[in-house]
Amino acid sequence: DAGVIQSPRHEVTEMGQEVTLRCKPISGHNSLFWYRQTMMRGLELLIYFNNNVPIDDSGMPEDRFSAKMPNASFSTLKIQPSEPRDSAVYFCASSRGMGGQGDEKLFFGSGTQLSVL
Amino acid sequence: SQQGEEDPQALSIQEGENATMNCSYKTSINNLQWYRQNSGRGLVHLILIRSNEREKHSGRLRVTLDTSKKSSSLLITASRAADTASYFCATSSNAGGTSYGKLTFGQGTILTVHP
Repeated sequence: DAGVIQSPRHEVTEMGQEVTLRCKPISGHNSLFWYRQTMMRGLELLIYFNNNVPIDDSGMPEDRFSAKMPNASFSTLKIQPSEPRDSAVYFCASSRGMGGQGDEKLFFGSGTQLSVL
Repeated sequence: SQQGEEDPQALSIQEGENATMNCSYKTSINNLQWYRQNSGRGLVHLILIRSNEREKHSGRLRVTLDTSKKSSSLLITASRAADTASYFCATSSNAGGTSYGKLTFGQGTILTVHP
């Protein structure tokens, strides 16, 4: 199993540019999460999908952020336009699903280090 | 403050010593999980303890949960230099009556094990 695959590994862009982060969850997992990690705020849940449907997007900071999951094997997180304060490590994680108890462990990708200049 | 706060923020020990990290949380939970993060990498799941469990072991890891105090501890015995990493607790709770896999992470404890 290749694990959760994220791309790109690093992204450097200028303020105002569009940024698209990509994630391929583990095959057979039906829950997908996007987290953002910064020194100041720690790990923040941005959005959560179950069976490709967004369940909770209350963590998405602004309308500049959007996420899609067109199928079970692919998700994107888009920032348009990007700002310097968006600089962070963005993690994608997947799990087997809710299981009625919400207790499935998460498998994380290696993250995308985003720098907005 | 965040659900799931670790204590201490940083811990420095010698190889062979035990390391204890604590986590406190505020709301009722379904389960509590501990994750490890090596520098520049994603988080890796270590152990999960359910709300009706009090103690769990996995190799050199021992986790306790006290729901009356809303706290958990992670003990790493006989630490090794390779245990150097950040350790996070994460809680899963029923929010608004909906049960789902949302995990809320604490700020983490940075553990340094000196050879």
